[in-house]
Amino acid sequence: EVQLMESGGDLVQPGGSLRLSCAASGFTSSTYWMTWVRQAPGKGLEWVASIKPDGSEKNYVDSVKGRFTISRDNAKNSLYLQMNTLRAGDTAIYYCVRGGGRLADYWGQGTLVIVSS
Amino acid sequence: DVVMTQSPLSLPVTLGQPASISCKSSQSLVHSDGNTYLIWFQQRPGQSPRRLIYAVSNRDSGVPDRFSGSGSGTDFTLKISRVEAEDVGVYYCMQGINWPVTFGQGTKVEIK
Repeated sequence: EVQLMESGGDLVQPGGSLRLSCAASGFTSSTYWMTWVRQAPGKGLEWVASIKPDGSEKNYVDSVKGRFTISRDNAKNSLYLQMNTLRAGDTAIYYCVRGGGRLADYWGQGTLVIVSS
Repeated sequence: DVVMTQSPLSLPVTLGQPASISCKSSQSLVHSDGNTYLIWFQQRPGQSPRRLIYAVSNRDSGVPDRFSGSGSGTDFTLKISRVEAEDVGVYYCMQGINWPVTFGQGTKVEIK
């Protein structure tokens, strides 16, 4: 059974940093693109970033470029999102998703990030 | 960026009646590989999104056959043949032909 388990969400002050993790199980994550999608409270879905299976290609939404870094450790079946210079507008549930924009077949339960002073 | 526009944004439906959601993209979603990268998701209240349909019309395993997807190029439709109580939630379309991946605004389906 495919499972994606996010962790690392927290309350953080504006300008702070946070690192999200996603533990994948039930499949070989090294053969899939992996993605982070976020959802602000009461709002719709927003794609954040995707990473190629070997980590050689990464794509980001403009609003996080230069602040967020997606990475992966295939040996640990894990996906990460390093978030720096956080803003109030980054407040959201962050979902780990298997696949890029052409697959997106499995989603985790999400981890909540709140940016507030 | 490819803009995805859904309508309506709110859809009250009577149980057992059909429902239809439109999704229009600002450019064609047909890739040079012949595939059309349009996906539909369902998000029930308090839950994570769940993929319902991929490549326009392919239903995911376990998705009831009352759900169907159709369309081509820039115009797509998700239909529910007979709405059931468990279908309440928000439905999103998403394009994967270009970066950045983009979603529609979401259509909230509720029971009248």
